[in-house]
Amino acid sequence: DAGVIQSPRHEVTEMGQEVTLRCKPISGHNSLFWYRQTMMRGLELLIYFNNNVPIDDSGMPEDRFSAKMPNASFSTLKIQPSEPRDSAVYFCASSSSSPDRVYIQYFGAGTRLSVL
Amino acid sequence: AQKVTQAQTEISVVEKEDVTLDCVYETRDTTYYLFWYKQPPSGELVFLIRRNSFDEQNEISGRYSWNFQKSTSSFNFTITASQVVDSAVYFCALSVYGGSQGNLIFGKGTKLSVKP
Repeated sequence: DAGVIQSPRHEVTEMGQEVTLRCKPISGHNSLFWYRQTMMRGLELLIYFNNNVPIDDSGMPEDRFSAKMPNASFSTLKIQPSEPRDSAVYFCASSSSSPDRVYIQYFGAGTRLSVL
Repeated sequence: AQKVTQAQTEISVVEKEDVTLDCVYETRDTTYYLFWYKQPPSGELVFLIRRNSFDEQNEISGRYSWNFQKSTSSFNFTITASQVVDSAVYFCALSVYGGSQGNLIFGKGTKLSVKP
């Protein structure tokens, strides 16, 4: 089975530009998570969806960040406008509700974002 | 509040040495899950193990073993006969049942370098 797929793998943009990160979860998984990894703050949850519905977005840093999950196989994380402090690796993860795999999150390869 | 502490920031060993990575967690909940993830230099996060709070049995998988002790709130990870390919950052994580549906709270990670 294919794992979590993220695109792009690397993104370099200039301050003020809009950035869109994409994620395709593992087929059949019903929860999707967006994380950000920085040296200073480590891995932190931004938002998570359950059955395509946003459940907890308390980790979204500010209104410049937004996330959508229009269907079970696709999610986006958008930053508009981007700032240099948004530079980080953004991970998408998905998990299943099946009893033997519940709460296990499988991660994509990440998107390394650099905002100049 | 929940918290995961990995006190060892970096560990360096020589191949074939045994190494233990420490993890201490904090939670007031009685039902929770503990995890270990590996992040090799390529950057992806790889799931290694999940343990629930009611199962204190130690687990062994090849050269990897995990020691869960509720009395000391610890979930330590031992690699026996380490190999260069074990070089990575290892993260311990906690998820509270019924919380944010599986939100993973990560420690800061321990960087393991295995030298030939």
